[in-house]
Amino acid sequence: QKEVEQNSGPLSVPEGAIASLNCTYSDRVSQSFFWYRQYSGKSPELIMSIYSNGDKEDGRFTAQLNKASQYVSLLIRDSQPSDSATYLCAVNGRYGGATNKLIFGTGTLLAVQP
Amino acid sequence: KAGVTQTPRYLIKTRGQQVTLSCSPISGHRSVSWYQQTPGQGLQFLFEYFSETQRNKGNFPGRFSGRQFSNSRSEMNVSTLELGDSALYLCASSPQGEYDGYTFGSGTRLTVV
Repeated sequence: QKEVEQNSGPLSVPEGAIASLNCTYSDRVSQSFFWYRQYSGKSPELIMSIYSNGDKEDGRFTAQLNKASQYVSLLIRDSQPSDSATYLCAVNGRYGGATNKLIFGTGTLLAVQP
Repeated sequence: KAGVTQTPRYLIKTRGQQVTLSCSPISGHRSVSWYQQTPGQGLQFLFEYFSETQRNKGNFPGRFSGRQFSNSRSEMNVSTLELGDSALYLCASSPQGEYDGYTFGSGTRLTVV
């Protein structure tokens, strides 16, 4: 089982729709969860962090965390073509017995159609 | 506030050579991590340094090494380069590491021929 799993996509949504991106992780003691956006040819950019169960909203973005189900999601409301990118889920956990190890999923490619 | 600076941006090396990549973190950030990104494997964790000490290491061969200086600047070295080492190498910094999000630099694109 991969440490952090994401559907590679592509996820295609029409402009103005809600895009829903999902991620599962294997380490039950993980404490910190992040969503990064990576445009083609660019480096990852942090867009959301979440540490407690529930929802966290920031503008058009909502991160959701369910530690019991080991599940993190990102909702993007009113999707715009400029949101088209690869979205990476990252989990900071106790992999290999050590903390401070941010592990990334392989990313979901989001395509917002005008 | 300056971001994470990586140099050089591009490198072409020959198989068997060695290479050193440099990373200057955001001022005040003490944790520096290195990642290798390839189309097939995604972002793979190499190692993490905090206050000049390596706290974590990924599953890479010993040819990959790194260090951190007292000013938090970090370098990574790859010896005896192989074709498979061709990748984007990303450095990321954060204040402390464990609960902070990391800020990435623009990366160094290494091509081994």
